[in-house]
Amino acid sequence: GAGVSQSPSNKVTEKGKDVELRCDPISGHTALYWYRQSLGQGLEFLIYFQGNSAPDKSGLPSDRFSAERTGGSVSTLTIQRTQQEDSAVYLCASSLVGAMRLAGYEQYFGPGTRLTVT
Amino acid sequence: RKEVEQDPGPFNVPEGATVAFNCTYSNSASQSFFWYRQDCRKEPKLLMSVYSSGNEDGRFTAQLNRASQYISLLIRDSKLSDSATYLCVVSLSGGYNKLIFGAGTRLAVHP
Repeated sequence: GAGVSQSPSNKVTEKGKDVELRCDPISGHTALYWYRQSLGQGLEFLIYFQGNSAPDKSGLPSDRFSAERTGGSVSTLTIQRTQQEDSAVYLCASSLVGAMRLAGYEQYFGPGTRLTVT
Repeated sequence: RKEVEQDPGPFNVPEGATVAFNCTYSNSASQSFFWYRQDCRKEPKLLMSVYSSGNEDGRFTAQLNRASQYISLLIRDSKLSDSATYLCVVSLSGGYNKLIFGAGTRLAVHP
């Protein structure tokens, strides 16, 4: 079946511009996560959506970052006034459920969007 | 101090070798533990969960030491296809699947 898809796969933008990154989770997955991976670093949690609950935004690095999940499916991560330190691979993941103690918690990752801010 | 620390490597080993990776985590409240594999310029994929009693999946064995806050991964009879970065991952308590990733250990298996 179809996995998690992300678009665009690569994005080059000028410092100060806004960017939107899109994630299509696996159909039926209720939980959706955004991470970013900087060169040589581990994945950094950004935000988590679970069903209709309020998202956990605790990982967003600044108020320039925001994310939405419309209709419980597609999610968009927006970065306003991009800075060079925003350059990274932005990864989206989804899981059937969000609770660790339940079966189906494994997170499946999309291929990522490689963002370069010049 | 990073929440999850790993030796970045690289570990260069010949085919057939046994190799072990270690990982330490700082938060004693961590509840769940995993090893993910990430190929170059690819997304991470779950390799195996790590249970308190230790667990094995084919050539891969994972161990957890909660007292020392230490996780290990042992790969026996290394294959060329095992070449990748291995990510140590923990989940804090909190009722949901918020994952904390280590920066990864790179493994290169050569003929």
